[in-house]
Amino acid sequence: SQTIHQWPATLVQPVGSPLSLECTVEGTSNPNLYWYRQAAGRGLQLLFYSVGIGQISSEVPQNLSASRPQDRQFILSSKKLLLSDSGFYLCAWGGQLGDGYTFGSGTRLTVV
Amino acid sequence: KNEVEQSPQNLTAQEGEFITINCSYSVGISALHWLQQHPGGGIVSLFMLSSGKKKHGRLIATINIQEKHSSLHITASHPRDSAVYICAVPLGGAQKLVFGQGTRLTINP
Repeated sequence: SQTIHQWPATLVQPVGSPLSLECTVEGTSNPNLYWYRQAAGRGLQLLFYSVGIGQISSEVPQNLSASRPQDRQFILSSKKLLLSDSGFYLCAWGGQLGDGYTFGSGTRLTVV
Repeated sequence: KNEVEQSPQNLTAQEGEFITINCSYSVGISALHWLQQHPGGGIVSLFMLSSGKKKHGRLIATINIQEKHSSLHITASHPRDSAVYICAVPLGGAQKLVFGQGTRLTINP
């Protein structure tokens, strides 16, 4: 079965500091990978998705970037965090027709 | 107008009650997903539906493709069912999920 490992679970970072969140997938190859964010009291918003190694599509302009250096690895980064980057970040695998989605356990980021 | 609309936004009920959460969408889809988000934030995929009805324990999900509508039912609700329930539809070649706003369900003992 497919599993997603996402870390860290919680993170408190000062404004202006860098960010790196990592997500790895097991049990599948060439998955579609997604980064979502949920701001406090809001719904889930797609940030980035990737259909293959090195292929990144951004959904919204922002202070973040994503990379996929390996087939089963998806990284969310920022060079300088803003207060508005606070939220709950979820990595997900899925999207192939006929398959469901599997979500990571999430990272709660607080920028102070 | 959002592509996925859920109702109600908040629902409080007593333990044992039958619960219905509704989801309407405005686009053609290959499947619809029901997700459960617990207070800690973690999300669990409950159902993926492309037609008809699916049942898992006390949870039942139905979809009417012609009417672009889906419902999630919980029978004999329990306080541990308290969570946010989200419907979502995949769009585009990359099957990106578009989410409803979620329904916050609280079941009181």
